[in-house]
Amino acid sequence: GAVVSQHPSRVICKSGTSVKIECRSLDFQATTMFWYRQFPKQSLMLMATSNEGSKATYEQGVEKDKFLINHASLTLSTLTVTSAHPEDSSFYICSAGGQLNYGYTFGSGTRLTVV
Amino acid sequence: GENVEQHPSTLSVQEGDSAVIKCTYSDSASNYFPWYKQELGKRPQLIIDIRSNVGEKKDQRIAVTLNKTAKHFSLHITETQPEDSAVYFCAATGRRALTFGSGTRLQVQP
Repeated sequence: GAVVSQHPSRVICKSGTSVKIECRSLDFQATTMFWYRQFPKQSLMLMATSNEGSKATYEQGVEKDKFLINHASLTLSTLTVTSAHPEDSSFYICSAGGQLNYGYTFGSGTRLTVV
Repeated sequence: GENVEQHPSTLSVQEGDSAVIKCTYSDSASNYFPWYKQELGKRPQLIIDIRSNVGEKKDQRIAVTLNKTAKHFSLHITETQPEDSAVYFCAATGRRALTFGSGTRLQVQP
């Protein structure tokens, strides 16, 4: 079945630094990648949608200059949290959905802790 | 955009009993309704899904029903076991990103 590999699984960084999270589709081409954020005991909230080769579409309230998304190829999408602050600490998870893939494949998630 | 509401937020049942979780959605264009089980710190795992051209789907102890007219769908788990304890999320989409419900924490008491 479809597999999405997400790295790193856990990261601790200092306030003010940047962190890059990668999601790779291993056995299919992900034309679309969705990025979600999940705070403790809450649901998954969509942050942005990225399509290969074009700019990401951000949800209302998500700062595009802070959460940089790159989807340069059909198998790789990255989310960079710039100038991270403690309130950015969360579980970030990607989900791939190809044009012909009616289902959604999730990465394993990244637990970000900003200290 | 789509709005999905999920109830209850917590559910405690005795082992062997049934559990029912209900969701409503707002966008009549939504046509795909998956259910996910999420254990602490892990990715959501798809447990069952249903498309809008189907009213009911069953997979062993798990079943999902969909009422398009009323815009609600439900998850039914029969003969619950302690390993069913987790957080369950419903979701809906019309070929865009999934919109998730707020989640139900299911606790199955041995």
